[in-house]
Amino acid sequence: DAGVIQSPRHEVTEMGQEVTLRCKPISGHNSLFWYRQTMMRGLELLIYFNNNVPIDDSGMPEDRFSAKMPNASFSTLKIQPSEPRDSAVYFCASSYASGGGEQYFGPGTRLTVT
Amino acid sequence: AQSVTQPDIHITVSEGASLELRCNYSYGATPYLFWYVQSPGQGLQLLLKYFSGDTLVQGIKGFEAEFKRSQSSFNLRKPSVHWSDAAEYFCAVEGGGGNKLTFGTGTQLKVEL
Repeated sequence: DAGVIQSPRHEVTEMGQEVTLRCKPISGHNSLFWYRQTMMRGLELLIYFNNNVPIDDSGMPEDRFSAKMPNASFSTLKIQPSEPRDSAVYFCASSYASGGGEQYFGPGTRLTVT
Repeated sequence: AQSVTQPDIHITVSEGASLELRCNYSYGATPYLFWYVQSPGQGLQLLLKYFSGDTLVQGIKGFEAEFKRSQSSFNLRKPSVHWSDAAEYFCAVEGGGGNKLTFGTGTQLKVEL
């Protein structure tokens, strides 16, 4: 099992540019989560999907952020336009939504916006 | 809404010493509880979980945790710490359905040789 796959692992971009982060969950998992981790705010849940449907996006900081899950094996998190305060490590995690299912995390994407 | 408190931001222990990391949760029903570990530059790895049954749960890497309902606690322990255990540790609670986890702020563990 390859685990949760995220790409790119590192992204450096200039303020105002569009950034797209990608995630491939573990095969068979039907819940997918996007998190953001910073020193100041710790680990924050941005949005999660069950069966490709967004369930809770209350953690998405503002309209510049959007997430999609077009199928069970792929999700994207897009920031447009990006700002320096978006610099963080973004994690994707997946789980099997049977209640109490543990989440498996990807290695993260380190985003730097200059 | 559920919440998790990890009162210790940093802990330093000597290699070979015992370790206990504290976690207190707030949740109205019986929670599902987790401990994760994050090594520098890595994602979070599940150490152990509690769903029901035996209140003392064993995990990977020699870790264990005890669920105490009366104290709303789920403390992580290890009898003898190794230098490779230096990392950040997160306690989390699942409640409300949908596998949504609420994480604590983490405890950074430093191991002195």
